Amino acid sequence: GQQVMQIPQYQHVQEGEDFTTYCNSSTTLSNIQWYKQRPGGHPVFLIQLVKSGEVKKQKRLTFQFGEAKKNSSLHITATQTTDVGTYFCADNTGTASKLTFGTGTRLQVTL
Amino acid sequence: KAGVTQTPRYLIKTRGQQVTLSCSPISGHRSVSWYQQTPGQGLQFLFEYFSETQRNKGNFPGRFSGRQFSNSRSEMNVSTLELGDSALYLCASSSIFDRGLTTDTQYFGPGTRLTVL
Repeated sequence: GQQVMQIPQYQHVQEGEDFTTYCNSSTTLSNIQWYKQRPGGHPVFLIQLVKSGEVKKQKRLTFQFGEAKKNSSLHITATQTTDVGTYFCADNTGTASKLTFGTGTRLQVTL
Repeated sequence: KAGVTQTPRYLIKTRGQQVTLSCSPISGHRSVSWYQQTPGQGLQFLFEYFSETQRNKGNFPGRFSGRQFSNSRSEMNVSTLELGDSALYLCASSSIFDRGLTTDTQYFGPGTRLTVL
């Protein structure tokens, strides 16, 4: 079946440093969604990418969708302690609301 | 609008028992999906209901079942609980569907944390 891997599994940065998580799929993605889950919380939708090569920005967050639609990335510029959490990519290829989640990247930010 | 609500928030059961979890979607949302989150397996799709019909199903045994009511509220049931069923069970609702295709956002509830002893 489809596998969606994320790297790294965990990253610890100092506040102000940049952070990037990568999402790689074994199959072509229809579209990719990104979620953030704070410790003890639930996944919260961040963004959806649909087109090959698409780049979207939300303040300090930059999301990219690969040209071959088999990978995606999330880059955070100048991390803040409020960025702490686990970031998941998710694919809903083919079927409404049946998300295949990536393995997640846990981000820890310290002062 | 009120968000997705799930009850109960925490539950402790013993092996062999059964459990029912409830999810109330955002008003107007007709689709409810259920996910299981564990440290080992991550977030896994259980099933999705739309207009009282199960539309999609993940790779879980038949002990996991669900249903949806006419007001879009959904329940999931796990029978004959096993230790490995300990997890955070999340439901998510969304609104737009067109022949099974969607690019709509999934809104997750806070989850029910089930512990099986």
